[in-house]
Amino acid sequence: DMQMTQSPSSLSASIGDRVTITCRTSQSINKNLNWYQQKPGIAPKVLISAASTLQSGVPSRFSGSGSGTDFTLTISSLQPEDFATYYCQQSYTSTRTFGQGTKVDVK
Amino acid sequence: QVQLVQSGAEVKEPGASVKVSCKASGYTFTTYDISWVRQAPGQGLEWMGWISAYDGNTKYALDFQGRVTMTTDTSTSTAYMELRSLKSDDTALYYCVKEGEDSGTRYFHHWGQGTLVTVSS
Repeated sequence: DMQMTQSPSSLSASIGDRVTITCRTSQSINKNLNWYQQKPGIAPKVLISAASTLQSGVPSRFSGSGSGTDFTLTISSLQPEDFATYYCQQSYTSTRTFGQGTKVDVK
Repeated sequence: QVQLVQSGAEVKEPGASVKVSCKASGYTFTTYDISWVRQAPGQGLEWMGWISAYDGNTKYALDFQGRVTMTTDTSTSTAYMELRSLKSDDTALYYCVKEGEDSGTRYFHHWGQGTLVTVSS
């Protein structure tokens, strides 16, 4: 079974901060890694697909990198609307898996 | 535009079954797989399985095998998820999700609004 380790589980940050979230998989998944943002009471929204492709309409302050087993989501300058929970998700195997989530809140 | 409209909230007793529907519009239904993802209160996202809307092939997460059945009705562009032998920890918001593809990578592109299933005696 594919294991995914997302870290940190939560972080506190200020407006304008650079934020980095990491996701590690138990086996190589090439670039089959996606990132989602979820705000309370709302369905998740895809931010990044295939490790680094910014989805249409997503601000350029979001970026993704990595391949193999180690991946990173970066928010270059945190904005008020970015306080949310972020999830990584792999689709290398036929059984999809999510990371545990990272909650980003106000410092 | 793509829309996935799910059926309304359900309250079930332990041991019962629930069947959630997901009506798709705005795209060719048989072109994309549908996944089901659930989220217990205050918890993370849990993938339950997917179904090919093209041929009905399914793949279920190990935790749900034997207890879940996913089906589609291509005549109405509707996907269904039935979960049996409900327990209190099945209380969750259940989402249907249409997959997208980027350079061979599948991702969860369009989400339904979610269906709250409450299991309580």
